[in-house]
Amino acid sequence: GALVYQYPRRTICKSGTSMRMECQAVGFQATSVAWYRQSPQKTFELIALSTVNSAIKYEQNFTQEKFPISHPNLSFSSMTVLNAYLEDRGLYLCGARSGYEQYFGPGTRLTVL
Amino acid sequence: QQQVRQSPQSLTVWEGETAILNCSYEDSTFNYFPWYQQFPGEGPALLISISSVSDKKEDGRFTIFFNKREKKLSLHITDSQPGDSATYFCAASGQGGSAKLIFGEGTKLTVSS
Repeated sequence: GALVYQYPRRTICKSGTSMRMECQAVGFQATSVAWYRQSPQKTFELIALSTVNSAIKYEQNFTQEKFPISHPNLSFSSMTVLNAYLEDRGLYLCGARSGYEQYFGPGTRLTVL
Repeated sequence: QQQVRQSPQSLTVWEGETAILNCSYEDSTFNYFPWYQQFPGEGPALLISISSVSDKKEDGRFTIFFNKREKKLSLHITDSQPGDSATYFCAASGQGGSAKLIFGEGTKLTVSS
């Protein structure tokens, strides 16, 4: 079956520092990978969408300078939150898509102190 | 502007009853509508989905009813069980497997025994 792994599951970082999170699709070829942030106030915010053979597209309010993403192959993607502050707290979800269906990992919960 | 809306925000039903969760959307180009189930501390899991060419999709106790003219859909959970208690998200996307998913704000379902 289609599985998406994310690690770490949770992380704590000091304000102003950076942290990297990873996503791996297992059991299927992901034609696109989307990174979301889920918070109680804003449900699912799409950060960026990475599609095979296309550049990574960032949504409004999210930039490559703040959330650089690496997507070297169909199965693996990583994203870094640079210079994290309190407003960056939340559950970061990776969604890997095969055809129309998008499968999510368990998320990386980021706490910023 | 919220492109996908869900109601109610929260819903409580008794075990064995049918829970009805509603969703509406704005963009007439949306043609794929998945529902996700999310338990606390976990990522959203794809539950059931429907394309705009169908008006009904059934999978066990879960059924989607879709009304393209009114841009509305609903998820019916028959014979609700306490284990169905979770937050349910309606989502929508447009043409192509790489199109981004737009999520509603979720309905928190509680099934009481």
